[in-house]
Amino acid sequence: GESVGLHLPTLSVQEGDNSIINCAYSNSASDYFIWYKQESGKGPQFIIDIRSNMDKRQGQRVTVLLNKTVKHLSLQIAATQPGDSAVYFCAENIEGGWSGQNFVFGPGTRLSVLP
Amino acid sequence: DAGVTQSPTHLIKTRGQQVTLRCSPKSGHDTVSWYQQALGQGPQFIFQYYEEEERQRGNFPDRFSGHQFPNYSSELNVNALLLGDSALYLCASSFSSSVETQYFGPGTRLLVL
Repeated sequence: GESVGLHLPTLSVQEGDNSIINCAYSNSASDYFIWYKQESGKGPQFIIDIRSNMDKRQGQRVTVLLNKTVKHLSLQIAATQPGDSAVYFCAENIEGGWSGQNFVFGPGTRLSVLP
Repeated sequence: DAGVTQSPTHLIKTRGQQVTLRCSPKSGHDTVSWYQQALGQGPQFIFQYYEEEERQRGNFPDRFSGHQFPNYSSELNVNALLLGDSALYLCASSFSSSVETQYFGPGTRLLVL
């Protein structure tokens, strides 16, 4: 498959360990955030979202934490599996209401799961 | 349900040429957005089509244009190609412009020589 990115920050974790992927967002007025997973040769896939009126949201094996004070978003993956290997992007909606030009993706982090 | 499909998967063009990329949205979706993803970067929003009209546009020149058909499928056209247009072009479909329901296609890899 094709490579999504060659020079992305990389996080390497052992299979079974927990992973934490961090994202600093740009605008204090951003009110909605999404984490996407992009595997080689595929488009981004929605993982979990969170609105600015929440600090934490949990899904299946994933948790998103939002710290508005320092404009920081994190994605925690429990019991990381080989299938979790991918590039992860955070995306923020920098103004109220969905507006395409205001939906901004971060640079991405490559997660590599070691056997 | 086939999800979002895009064609072609790969394309090689030379500078100055024109290219047309195609996207079929997920069943039940009426909105198509196009993104450009350069190597090593996150996707950048190009524009969005809803009800056959361009509703939103990102910071891309007029060389980038599009169209949406009555069956909600869409085309992205790029004229006067530049080397810097080499990227993965992603199509995403959604229902009524909702980002929460946005699904991405696999993309078309364009290489401009």
